[in-house]
Amino acid sequence: QSALTQPASVSGSPGQSITISCSGTSSDVGGYNHVSWYQQHPGKAPKLMIYDVSNRPSGVSNRFSGSKSGNTASLTISGLQADDEADYYCTSYTSTSTPYVFGTGTKVSVL
Amino acid sequence: QVQLVESGGGMVQPEKSLRLSCAASGFTFSGAGMHWVRQAPGKGLEWVAVIWYDGSNRFYADSAKGRFTISRDNSKNTVYLQMNSLRAEDTAVYYCVRGFGQYYYAMDVWGQGTTVIVSS
Repeated sequence: QSALTQPASVSGSPGQSITISCSGTSSDVGGYNHVSWYQQHPGKAPKLMIYDVSNRPSGVSNRFSGSKSGNTASLTISGLQADDEADYYCTSYTSTSTPYVFGTGTKVSVL
Repeated sequence: QVQLVESGGGMVQPEKSLRLSCAASGFTFSGAGMHWVRQAPGKGLEWVAVIWYDGSNRFYADSAKGRFTISRDNSKNTVYLQMNSLRAEDTAVYYCVRGFGQYYYAMDVWGQGTTVIVSS
């Protein structure tokens, strides 16, 4: 099971919106609504930001939103803030012998 | 508060073994699926293993199959990862993670991680 494909980096200015893509196959992203997104600041443990494609856990800012079309999921961060600068990973349940797969990760930079 | 605390990491020679432990508190551990996820230095996240709330199902990444064993003791609120025949490529920070949702795929509580270094 190969990792889901994410862009290596995405950047934006404060206040702007950015979107991170997460491309998979019909065996993972396209086959299930079990897609989640994680934020990881340097030296810290990851934090769940989105689950079930578009649901936010309690306490996560509504500036973070998720969606999916076909085999590609997306995370949008609106009103970009300095603290949003971090690495972001998607993950999906899969129907293969490895039931979970992470994305390759995206470094978000706030210019 | 909800918390996961890993222990057992360290430096170990190739082909040796190590057992990681993760102590849970603040939630009903016996009802939660539990994962181990690792991150090699400067690399991305890699899922390693999962165990169902009652231990009835266990699944492994291809890189862990045949070498790693996940287990749990619900009486001690603890999940374990027994790692045998360790390789240099197993060097990573290992996170204990609570799963939820169908198949426990979403990971909502993470420990602080324990570092494993495999080197001669």
